[in-house]
Amino acid sequence: NAGVTQTPKFRVLKTGQSMTLLCAQDMNHEYMYWYRQDPGMGLRLIHYSVGEGTTAKGEVPDGYNVSRLKKQNFLLGLESAAPSQTSVYFCASSRRGVGNQPQHFGDGTRLSIL
Amino acid sequence: RKEVEQDPGPFNVPEGATVAFNCTYSNSASQSFFWYRQDCRKEPKLLMSVYSSGNEDGRFTAQLNRASQYISLLIRDSKLSDSATYLCVVNSNTGTASKLTFGTGTRLQVTL
Repeated sequence: NAGVTQTPKFRVLKTGQSMTLLCAQDMNHEYMYWYRQDPGMGLRLIHYSVGEGTTAKGEVPDGYNVSRLKKQNFLLGLESAAPSQTSVYFCASSRRGVGNQPQHFGDGTRLSIL
Repeated sequence: RKEVEQDPGPFNVPEGATVAFNCTYSNSASQSFFWYRQDCRKEPKLLMSVYSSGNEDGRFTAQLNRASQYISLLIRDSKLSDSATYLCVVNSNTGTASKLTFGTGTRLQVTL
């Protein structure tokens, strides 16, 4: 009954370091998403994927890269972390299809960049 | 203008009260609508979808007004456990993915 699992839960980085956030879902969902949530701004879409091997840019993609090598995993990479990337990151997944497809979220990764 | 706008609150109500939140959206082509609930330092969780004819789930009622481009959430007989931030979410579908736009949320605090 795992749903969407994110690792790690917390991380502190120094400016310029790189890291990868992992998202795994066991619901066989086609679509996966990465968001960031900052105070007063709501969730903003970074990148998303509509299937294995495909990715697309969202609203705030700069400074991030993603990969979807397996259907169940969606990785978010920060090549050179900046303090502006301090945020809470949420991964989500949903079934394929237009219309009323709600998204299911992981419990988030809190990332601080010093 | 933001794509999805909500009153941030907080709404402070006593237990047992009825409280309503509104949310406006700017994209008239939006196709589907949701209310999510987010507890402090937790992930958003789907509360309910919002259907054109309005829908009810226990103490929660959601309404959609396409002409005025707003959705609402009514909570009856508020419980302490209803304290959370309620996110209005709109699907401005791209045709290839379920692209959701989130409001910044309305905070509800239910007190004794």
